[in-house]
Amino acid sequence: GIQVEQSPPDLILQEGANSTLRCNFSDSVNNLQWFHQNPWGQLINLFYIPSGTKQNGRLSATTVATERYSLLYISSSQTTDSGVYFCAVGNFYGGSQGNLIFGKGTKLSVKP
Amino acid sequence: SAVISQKPSRDICQRGTSLTIQCQVDSQVTMMFWYRQQPGQSLTLIATANQGSEATYESGFVIDKFPISRPNLTFSTLTVSNMSPEDSSIYLCSVQRTGFNTEAFFGQGTRLTVV
Repeated sequence: GIQVEQSPPDLILQEGANSTLRCNFSDSVNNLQWFHQNPWGQLINLFYIPSGTKQNGRLSATTVATERYSLLYISSSQTTDSGVYFCAVGNFYGGSQGNLIFGKGTKLSVKP
Repeated sequence: SAVISQKPSRDICQRGTSLTIQCQVDSQVTMMFWYRQQPGQSLTLIATANQGSEATYESGFVIDKFPISRPNLTFSTLTVSNMSPEDSSIYLCSVQRTGFNTEAFFGQGTRLTVV
């Protein structure tokens, strides 16, 4: 099956700093999502980005499908950005559905 | 997007008992997915639930331990049976939008502690 690797596993930032999180995957995908897991365990959808670039406020993401990686950028980090960021991928042929394969996550701590 | 209501949000249970987790979606979906997240770990798929058929379980998960019901296109339950402390995890249900865009959405999760 598809392997998903995220780096770094842990990241500590000072408030206001920028960061880049990386997700590498081992096979072609047509679904890639970034999630933020809050302290209560809820997964918040950040981006659905099987290819291309998207931006939402201080967050942006880029997926280069041909090179099998995706990047999540966080600019001007805030303490509320703390938590675990997951990358998840899938390959669903012909409009079918299926489960996502998750990376192990990047645990981000933003210090005031 | 899809709105998913999952409950309970958390529970503390005695070993040997069972807990049923409910997942309600605001629109009809073909497939629903149940995941487990052990402490400090990533998400692992338990099973896929289609309406009107038996759930499909992943390796390492069995129906006797994690029975699933899917009575209609908007609702599913997952039961964690005969619990032990090793079952302490976050359990999440998930659905995908139909059509070409297969973005997945998750319920709020159920944080289970077995004592």
